[in-house]
Amino acid sequence: DAGVIQSPRHEVTEMGQEVTLRCKPISGHNSLFWYRQTMMRGLELLIYFNNNVPIDDSGMPEDRFSAKMPNASFSTLKIQPSEPRDSAVYFCASSFEVAGTGELFFGEGSRLTVL
Amino acid sequence: TQLLEQSPQFLSIQEGENLTVYCNSSSVFSSLQWYRQEPGEGPVLLVTVVTGGEVKKLKRLTFQFGDARKDSSLHITAAQPGDTGLYLCAGANPGGYQKVTFGTGTKLQVIP
Repeated sequence: DAGVIQSPRHEVTEMGQEVTLRCKPISGHNSLFWYRQTMMRGLELLIYFNNNVPIDDSGMPEDRFSAKMPNASFSTLKIQPSEPRDSAVYFCASSFEVAGTGELFFGEGSRLTVL
Repeated sequence: TQLLEQSPQFLSIQEGENLTVYCNSSSVFSSLQWYRQEPGEGPVLLVTVVTGGEVKKLKRLTFQFGDARKDSSLHITAAQPGDTGLYLCAGANPGGYQKVTFGTGTKLQVIP
């Protein structure tokens, strides 16, 4: 079975450019999470969706970040305009259970470098 | 914001040694998970603990959930080079929706 699929795996862009990261969760999972990982701040939750509805976006750094989940099999995280401090590895994860003990399944991440 | 502090941040030990990693918070969690992450990959779940005081064993790894469900520990017996990686604890908040917050991480290196 396919796991969580993220694209692109690597992106290098210049400051000011728009960046779109994509995620396909595991089929049948009803929760989707976007995390950002850096050496300084570790793994930070940006936003999570349940049944395609954003539940908590309090971790989204600022208005330059937006996330959508138009259907159960696709989500995007957009940064516009990008800045060097956005450089990080962005992970998407999905889960089946609504509450409690559901295991998170992570994609391989998208490594973003903003010059 | 729920914070999960892990200690130590870094650990470099010889093969065969034992070690313990701690995960502490002032918040109560409905469950706590431990993940291991290797370079270039996403975290992979090792175990989930749900009940206060619960102890789970996974081969040479022993996980314990604190009685008050605010803290946890991971003990590795006779560490092997294959145990090298970043260990992350993660707490799920009580309530109707699963919001999982990750700890600060412990980077383990086991030297052959």
